Formats: sequence, C-alpha cells, structure tokens
Amino acid sequence: GAVVSQHPSRVICKSGTSVKIECRSLDFQATTMFWYRQFPKQSLMLMATSNEGSKATYEQGVEKDKFLINHASLTLSTLTVTSAHPEDSSFYICSANQGLLGYTFGSGTRLTVV
Amino acid sequence: GENVEQHPSTLSVQEGDSAVIKCTYSDSASNYFPWYKQELGKRPQLIIDIRSNVGEKKDQRIAVTLNKTAKHFSLHITETQPEDSAVYFCAAHLRPQKLVFGTGTRLLVSP
Repeated sequence: GAVVSQHPSRVICKSGTSVKIECRSLDFQATTMFWYRQFPKQSLMLMATSNEGSKATYEQGVEKDKFLINHASLTLSTLTVTSAHPEDSSFYICSANQGLLGYTFGSGTRLTVV
Repeated sequence: GENVEQHPSTLSVQEGDSAVIKCTYSDSASNYFPWYKQELGKRPQLIIDIRSNVGEKKDQRIAVTLNKTAKHFSLHITETQPEDSAVYFCAAHLRPQKLVFGTGTRLLVSP
C-alpha cells in the first residue's frame, strides 16, 4: 500500500529555535498534503493544506509565519515550526489524499520544546 | 461551519456487548466518511469507511451506517473484545478537499 514517510519521529528543541518536519510520499505523487496537530487527549486539528508548487492554505487561527510549509516537489512537503515555544509542543502528523484509496498518514512527529 | 461532532466522548462496555459511536457533519456536499482507531502516539489507523452513495457497510464485527438526509453516520462494533479498547475518531471529507476529524471517543472494553 501507499506509504507516507515522516521524519523525525521525535525531536526536542530549545525555546526560540526552529524545527523542520518532513513528509515524503514513497510510491505515489502527492500534489496535496495536509498537516495536523494533536495535543494530548485531543483530536487531530487540521493546520494547513500544502499544495505542490503554490502557497499553502492555512486554517483559521494558524499563524502562517510561524508554521512555514513548503511543498517543492510532488513527493515532499515540509513543515517548519519557527521560534518554537513550549506551547508548540505537540504531535504533528501529515497526510496525503489518494482519491478513492482514501487518506494515508505519516507516522507523526512528537515535538517537545524545552 | 466545518464541524464534525462526535458522541460519546467516553464509552465503557462489557466484553461481548455492542458499542455505537455517532457523528454528525455540517457540509451536505461531504462524500467520504472514514473511521479511525488511534493508539497512543501512533498514526490513525483506518478501520472502515463509507462513501455517500452507500447507506451501510460492514466488515466482520464492524459496520458503519450513513444517513445523508440527517447528515450523520455511526460506527457499530459488535461482540466487543478488550483489544478493541482505544480512541476512535470519525472524519468527514469536506469541500474543496480536506479531512476534518471528530472529537474522538475513548472506548473501554472490560473483560
């Protein structure tokens, strides 16, 4: 089946630094990818839709200058959390829509900001 | 709005009983409704899905029903087992192209 590879799986960073998370579609081309954030004991909240070759679409309340999304190729989308703070600590997960095959999720990234 | 409401938030059943989780959505153009099971710290795992041209779908002990008129869909698990204990999320594919999740249900199946 289709695979979305997400790295890193865990990252700890200091407050004020930036962290980049990568998602790659391994055996299919993903013109669109979705980025979610999940706080403990809560649901997956859609942050933004990443579009290959164009600007990402952000959900209401998500700061586009803080969460930079780049989708430079049909197989790679990246999310950069800039100037991270402890409140950004969360589980970040990407997804790609494969039409009739449904959605394929990455394995997630646990971000801890100290 | 783009809400997907899910109930109940927690559900405790005895082994062998049935469990039902219900979701409602707001966008009448939604056409795809998956259900996921999520273990702590893991990606959501698709357990069953249904498209808007079908009213019911079943896969062994799991079934999903869809009422397009009322804009709600339900997950039914029969003969529950302790290993069914997990957090379950419904989701709806909304226009133009995004998947929105429900608030989640923590299912506990006691032996």
